[in-house]
Amino acid sequence: NAGVMQNPRHLVRRRGQEARLRCSPMKGHSHVYWYRQLPEEGLKFMVYLQKENIIDESGMPKERFSAEFPKEGPSILRIQQVVRGDSAAYFCASSPSFQGDYEQYFGPGTRLTVT
Amino acid sequence: AQSVTQPDIHITVSEGASLELRCNYSYGATPYLFWYVQSPGQGLQLLLKYFSGDTLVQGIKGFEAEFKRSQSSFNLRKPSVHWSDAAEYFCAVGFPGGSQGNLIFGKGTKLSVKP
Repeated sequence: NAGVMQNPRHLVRRRGQEARLRCSPMKGHSHVYWYRQLPEEGLKFMVYLQKENIIDESGMPKERFSAEFPKEGPSILRIQQVVRGDSAAYFCASSPSFQGDYEQYFGPGTRLTVT
Repeated sequence: AQSVTQPDIHITVSEGASLELRCNYSYGATPYLFWYVQSPGQGLQLLLKYFSGDTLVQGIKGFEAEFKRSQSSFNLRKPSVHWSDAAEYFCAVGFPGGSQGNLIFGKGTKLSVKP
């Protein structure tokens, strides 16, 4: 049973370009979470999605960032017009359902570098 | 506001020595508690979790953690550290009744192991 898959593992973008990060949850999982890890920091929650629904986006920056989890295919975190401050590791996690226990399984992350 | 504190940024122990990593949280009730480990360039692996019941929980790789309600703490312990335990350790908390699925992470403790 494959774990949470993220691609690409490393992504380099110039300032002003768009970054698309993909996350395939574990088989049977219908909940996806995105976190951002800045250098020397812990993970910060960004957004929580179920299929075709955004449940909680309280951690998403108001501009340039968006996320989706379509009926078919992976979840996508999209960053438009990237800036140097967007350089970070972005982690996706998944869970089978919201059972109230918050247990999440993490992918290996995408390390975004903005030059 | 709810928060998680890991007071030690970096700890160095000798191989074979015991280890305790500290974690404190701020919340009015009992949260869900987790410890994750992150090796360099990797994603997060769940070591153990506490939801309710016995306050001493056993995890993988010989780790254990004890929930102390009176101290709002969930410290991670290992009786004898191995060189392969060198990594970064994150305490994470879920607050029941709060944002669904939103884990709050401490800033992490980096563990170095001396031969």
